[in-house]
Amino acid sequence: QSVLTQPPSVSGAPGQRVTISCAGSTSNIGADYDVHWYQHLPETAPKLLIFNNNNRPSGVPDRFSGSKSGASASLAITGLQAEDEADYYCQSYDSSLSAYVFGTGTKVSVL
Amino acid sequence: QVELQQWGAGLLKPSETLFLTCAFDDASFSNYFWSWVRQPPGKGLEWIGEINHSGDTKFSPSLKSRVTISVDTSKRQFSLRLTSATAADTAVYYCSRGPREGVRPAADAFDIWGQGTVVTVSS
Repeated sequence: QSVLTQPPSVSGAPGQRVTISCAGSTSNIGADYDVHWYQHLPETAPKLLIFNNNNRPSGVPDRFSGSKSGASASLAITGLQAEDEADYYCQSYDSSLSAYVFGTGTKVSVL
Repeated sequence: QVELQQWGAGLLKPSETLFLTCAFDDASFSNYFWSWVRQPPGKGLEWIGEINHSGDTKFSPSLKSRVTISVDTSKRQFSLRLTSATAADTAVYYCSRGPREGVRPAADAFDIWGQGTVVTVSS
């Protein structure tokens, strides 16, 4: 099981704001390792959404934003759109495991 | 943008060895670590391991005993070998790029991904 915990699902109406939490510990996020977020649609490769806690790659809408505080991180989606329906994963590094770790994943549904 | 192309056998019998290869046709190949990630059906993403152009490797503790990752710098390719496959190894396997050499772990994200290979282990 993953050392980064996310809610299994979040949902919202079009236009609303949703947030996804990523809870870690003192051996990963709390040890000041950066957090990255990925969007994963069925039958496709994961897509980098946010890197280094709060940066967007070119082409990612500014509706997506990330933050990090202490041993946890969050992804926010504002102005929710139907195309945002996907699975979202946080990712960091764990010094106790000496391994990269992904969050448990969150399914975003647009009502 | 240069892509990652991956290939390998998609159907294995229990106890057989999984073998996948990934290629990145760009001179920057030597500047990065290269990883394998998998997603079992209905489950989340799982990091398997990484390698750089010098052959330095790191593996997930849960798979370390069965995993080998190798590199062919001349071809800009890296490969995954997973021995003693079981049904639990059934998954979509992805190769990915990141981080750059010489940076702190997780200082870079996995920014480029292969298209994925569906691997099924079944008798």
